[in-house]
Amino acid sequence: KNEVEQSPQNLTAQEGEFITINCSYSVGISALHWLQQHPGGGIVSLFMLSSGKKKHGRLIATINIQEKHSSLHITASHPRDSAVYICAVEDYGGSQGNLIFGKGTKLSVKP
Amino acid sequence: DGGITQSPKYLFRKEGQNVTLSCEQNLNHDAMYWYRQDPGQGLRLIYYSQIVNDFQKGDIAEGYSVSREKKESFPLTVTSAQKNPTAFYLCASSIVGVSSLNLGTEAFFGQGTRLTVV
Repeated sequence: KNEVEQSPQNLTAQEGEFITINCSYSVGISALHWLQQHPGGGIVSLFMLSSGKKKHGRLIATINIQEKHSSLHITASHPRDSAVYICAVEDYGGSQGNLIFGKGTKLSVKP
Repeated sequence: DGGITQSPKYLFRKEGQNVTLSCEQNLNHDAMYWYRQDPGQGLRLIYYSQIVNDFQKGDIAEGYSVSREKKESFPLTVTSAQKNPTAFYLCASSIVGVSSLNLGTEAFFGQGTRLTVV
């Protein structure tokens, strides 16, 4: 069983739609990260959360520690949002800073 | 600007040859990590180092070797013993020691190296 599960695996949306990507995990964590990977492969860190909610521009990330669940929302989606979005958790009992990754959600936003 | 630099972005090697991937950071981070990404799979940890001259095996260390002679540098060697070396390799770094309960550790990532063995 994967310790970090993301859904959906693939997501196609029309420009302007509201998008939600979900992440569930089974381990105790000290933090959860949302990452964005572009087709070239480079990864950008979007958020690091340990509780509550964070917002950067059109991106919103929430986490429910009791339910071991996080969501990434994109409002007013745009084709440039097309990328793979990866959820990763920092295992509370693991090596500090090491991350356990989900398999990613591939988002394609059509104009 | 501070960041992590991986080089090269694309690398081709003949089967049976060792190859070394470079990772350099100027963020003054103590911890550095190497991950491997295969299609349809999440990133998997190869090796990590939390301090100079020390490193630990990750989940898939077989066929790989690393060194950490300098804080800024954490090169990864893919040896001929690695059965399926063709993959995307990602280096990351983070500060160690400032993470406390429920705060986590922010990680920074390089742009990756896509290795193809022919």
